[in-house]
Amino acid sequence: QVQLVESGGGVVQTGRSLRLSCAGSGFTFSSYGLHWVRQAPGKGLEWMAVISDDGSDKYYADSVKGRFTISRDNSKNTLYLQMSSLRAEDTALYYCAKDWPARPEIDYWGQGTLVTVSS
Amino acid sequence: QSALTQPASVSGSPGQSITISCTGTSSDVGGYYHVSWFQQHPGKAPKLMIYGVSNRPSGVSNRFSGSKSGNTASLTISGLLPEDEADYYCNSYTTSSTRVFGTGTKVTVL
Repeated sequence: QVQLVESGGGVVQTGRSLRLSCAGSGFTFSSYGLHWVRQAPGKGLEWMAVISDDGSDKYYADSVKGRFTISRDNSKNTLYLQMSSLRAEDTALYYCAKDWPARPEIDYWGQGTLVTVSS
Repeated sequence: QSALTQPASVSGSPGQSITISCTGTSSDVGGYYHVSWFQQHPGKAPKLMIYGVSNRPSGVSNRFSGSKSGNTASLTISGLLPEDEADYYCNSYTTSSTRVFGTGTKVTVL
């Protein structure tokens, strides 16, 4: 079955950087677009970024453009999110998610990894 | 990239039907048939309930249905059950090739 497992979260100081990873299994990793979505404590879902199946196309929400970078390594079945210049408002549960086959819509989600940005 | 607008809360009694709206613009909901709905129980990851405006993934109850008119999409839950109590989010593809979520709706089963 499809599995997406995020890792790399933790407590980080304001202004520092952090890299999240998401390992995929149970599907042909290199055939699907992948997303990062976050959810601040007690708040709603916020879409952040998407990367195409081959990594050639990347799109970002305005709130993270220029600070966050999405990437993938299809040889390792792993998605990444490099986060820099972290702010308190970046504190959230970060989910990775995959697209449907040939549709720009999310179907499966991971369980998330928590990032806490503290001064 | 403003969030799509959903009512903060909707409630209904068991067995009743409720409808959650999701209002965007012609650059997202109104421009594409790539609108999805997700259910999220507390402490859990979101679960896909509707994709492509009105399609149900395998395993999702036919009590859940979706539709769209203009810039507004809707999710209807019929025959409301206690386990339907959760947060619901819509999501749409946009002209910028990005995605946008709705503000979220808390469904309460009275």
